[in-house]
Amino acid sequence: NAGVTQTPKFQVLKTGQSMTLQCAQDMNHNSMYWYRQDPGMGLRLIYYSASEGTTDKGEVPNGYNVSRLNKREFSLRLESAAPSQTSVYFCASRNRVRTDTQYFGPGTRLTVL
Amino acid sequence: GENVEQHPSTLSVQEGDSAVIKCTYSDSASNYFPWYKQELGKRPQLIIDIRSNVGEKKDQRIAVTLNKTAKHFSLHITETQPEDSAVYFCAASVGGSYIPTFGRGTSLIVHP
Repeated sequence: NAGVTQTPKFQVLKTGQSMTLQCAQDMNHNSMYWYRQDPGMGLRLIYYSASEGTTDKGEVPNGYNVSRLNKREFSLRLESAAPSQTSVYFCASRNRVRTDTQYFGPGTRLTVL
Repeated sequence: GENVEQHPSTLSVQEGDSAVIKCTYSDSASNYFPWYKQELGKRPQLIIDIRSNVGEKKDQRIAVTLNKTAKHFSLHITETQPEDSAVYFCAASVGGSYIPTFGRGTSLIVHP
């Protein structure tokens, strides 16, 4: 049982490049989330998916898109990366039925030059 | 929307002392309050949580208290140890929807 996994762990992009961050969970959770973490700013919600087939914007969605591919996988795409998107990105999942506990992935450290 | 304020941003204590981190929230409908610990370079992990129908909850050296009237909740760590050094985040959410709002974090440093 791997929990929540994310790929890649590190990535360096040039301004304007695109990339997709991958997230998968094997806990059969319904809800999945993408956060970014910047120094002194806590965890800010980018997008979330309450259940398979649905996605909604969070606090800071501009410049990002998401896809809930199936119940296990939730990807985050940067279409045209900007230096302001340099951050650590965390994926999380939650079993909405049994508990409110969120389980986080190990994070992706992204640098945009 | 919900707004969560967390204080202090940095807390330095000696090993064995107690540490208290405080959070306030704005939405009176919030009813679930988790606390996460994040060690350097690691992911956030839940350490304790409390629901609005409970005033206090303890788990060994950590405890959380909730004052619904004043809309604030606190994390208490007793007999601190160097391995307690980490960033601690509070969060608040309305049950059912569960879109938590996080505080900005407190960096706890425990000196041996």
